[in-house]
Amino acid sequence: QKEVEQDPGPLSVPEGAIVSLNCTYSNSAFQYFMWYRQYSRKGPELLMYTYSSGNKEDGRFTAQVDKSSKYISLFIRDSQPSDSATYLCAMSLNRDDKIIFGKGTRLHILP
Amino acid sequence: NAGVTQTPKFRVLKTGQSMTLLCAQDMNHEYMYWYRQDPGMGLRLIHYSVGEGTTAKGEVPDGYNVSRLKKQNFLLGLESAAPSQTSVYFCASSQGDSLFSWRDTEAFFGQGTRLTVV
Repeated sequence: QKEVEQDPGPLSVPEGAIVSLNCTYSNSAFQYFMWYRQYSRKGPELLMYTYSSGNKEDGRFTAQVDKSSKYISLFIRDSQPSDSATYLCAMSLNRDDKIIFGKGTRLHILP
Repeated sequence: NAGVTQTPKFRVLKTGQSMTLLCAQDMNHEYMYWYRQDPGMGLRLIHYSVGEGTTAKGEVPDGYNVSRLKKQNFLLGLESAAPSQTSVYFCASSQGDSLFSWRDTEAFFGQGTRLTVV
């Protein structure tokens, strides 16, 4: 079982829809969770991070962590064509531990 | 613009050839990293550096060497390229109170180098 699992997609949704992106993980000791956005032929950029369980909201983006289910989610409200990108989840055990990345989910927002 | 610059952006090598990928950052960051990104594999850490003159192995260091003679530059070398090293290589830098404290102070990635080994 891989440490971090993420459906590669592609996921196509109409503009304005709510998007749900997810990752599951096997190591219950992970504490730090991140979401990165990567546009085509660009490097990843940090969208959001959360520590331990709970929700975090930033504009149209909400990150959720469910440690009991070992499941994290990123929701995008009022999706825009500019949200079309690959979204990578990432996590680590402790502050100084290496970061484990998911494979990424390709998202297409259809105008 | 401030950031992380990688050169070259594209390269095709023949098996057995050598090359060096250059990463330069102008943010005075202490920590620098080299990742490779392959379809279906996610980002994997090759080598990293915690400061000028230091380097350390990551998850997949075999076949690569690195050097950090100047704080702003982190070089990745392939001594004898193999088709398995066909990938997109990303350099990143960060500044925090610890190596992977990306949660607090963001790590910045370069635009990547697409390397094909034939």
